[in-house]
Amino acid sequence: EAQVTQNPRYLITVTGKKLTVTCSQNMNHEYMSWYRQDPGLGLRQIYYSMNVEVTDKGDVPEGYKVSRKEKRNFPLILESPSPNQTSLYFCASSFSSFSSYNEQFFGPGTRLTVL
Amino acid sequence: DQQVKQNSPSLSVQEGRISILNCDYTNSMFDYFLWYKKYPAEGPTFLISISSIKDKNEDGRFTVFLNKSAKHLSLHIVPSQPGDSAVYFCAASAGGYQKVTFGTGTKLQVIP
Repeated sequence: EAQVTQNPRYLITVTGKKLTVTCSQNMNHEYMSWYRQDPGLGLRQIYYSMNVEVTDKGDVPEGYKVSRKEKRNFPLILESPSPNQTSLYFCASSFSSFSSYNEQFFGPGTRLTVL
Repeated sequence: DQQVKQNSPSLSVQEGRISILNCDYTNSMFDYFLWYKKYPAEGPTFLISISSIKDKNEDGRFTVFLNKSAKHLSLHIVPSQPGDSAVYFCAASAGGYQKVTFGTGTKLQVIP
């Protein structure tokens, strides 16, 4: 089954404790991206990757890191989480990196709470 | 600066009637627009899209209209069904880049 998977689905942590949210897709997609969803703000793009070893900032990259060492994986790293990073996070992928004219496939989301 | 706006946070419609969801944008460089549907506890799923070279795109019960001069697009669902109850996001991108800007979402409730 073609899908985007995220782990963990739920995470409660404390301020300053480094964490990684994994994202993996099995569709051989070139493009991957991370979003956060907050009430009243919709979905905001954090980082995106056009291909292996190619990443770029979205609209809200502060406090986050990403890496794209393999085509299928795109982990989101919070080196020192803060309470304002409490949010619902979505990973997404799409087929072509040279055109935006492709819909994105989203993972099920990761609910992160930073105390 | 919210470049893509959905000014109605929620909308209630009777089953069988038309649902109209609206989206406004400010960036004149946007040339491709998409609608996604999101159910609770799931990720968004793609619904329909439209290129700026068109003013209408239809897929079954779903039609998207684009008015470039007004920088406005709308999603029409006819007839509305209870299973359409979800949050709908419009999204836009510019010039073939993969940076995508989403709106804030409209929660649609279709009442049986």
